[in-house]
Amino acid sequence: GAVVSQHPSRVICKSGTSVKIECRSLDFQATTMFWYRQFPKQSLMLMATSNEGSKATYEQGVEKDKFLINHASLTLSTLTVTSAHPEDSSFYICSALGGQGSAFFGQGTRLTVV
Amino acid sequence: AQSVTQPDIHITVSEGASLELRCNYSYGATPYLFWYVQSPGQGLQLLLKYFSGDTLVQGIKGFEAEFKRSQSSFNLRKPSVHWSDAAEYFCAVGAPRTGFQKLVFGTGTRLLVSP
Repeated sequence: GAVVSQHPSRVICKSGTSVKIECRSLDFQATTMFWYRQFPKQSLMLMATSNEGSKATYEQGVEKDKFLINHASLTLSTLTVTSAHPEDSSFYICSALGGQGSAFFGQGTRLTVV
Repeated sequence: AQSVTQPDIHITVSEGASLELRCNYSYGATPYLFWYVQSPGQGLQLLLKYFSGDTLVQGIKGFEAEFKRSQSSFNLRKPSVHWSDAAEYFCAVGAPRTGFQKLVFGTGTRLLVSP
């Protein structure tokens, strides 16, 4: 099946710094990728839709200036958490839209802001 | 707006026993329905999906799910659970009208498998 790689899998950063998370589709091209956030013991919440070559579409309540999304190529989307704070600590997961209407998920990134 | 309810937070099943995980959805029309599995610290793997047609859907790893419109349900089943099935299971719904890849997930059910 299609493979989506997310990097890093874990990151610890200091409060006030920025962190970049990469999402790559390894064996297919994805014009559309999605970024989700998962709080402990909760479900995944869609943050934004990332479209190659255009601006991301953010869900209501998600700060676009804090969560910068760049989809510069057909195989790579990045999520940058700017000026991170402890409340941004979470599990972030990306998915890439593949053929036959399926979304393939990366392995997730555990972000801890200290 | 669509929503998904997974009423069971935890379920413990003996290895070799059958399994049924419940999922109820709310949507005005027939949605696209998915089941995903998440192992600890991992992303999500698609088990199966329902778009239309036969309401009994076969997936990977011996899983199946049945779409019941009258009950707004899409329960996941497996006849004989293996220890490796212990994981978190998420039901998700997508609305064709808004682009079904924008999935709404349930809160998940954690499956524990006892020897």
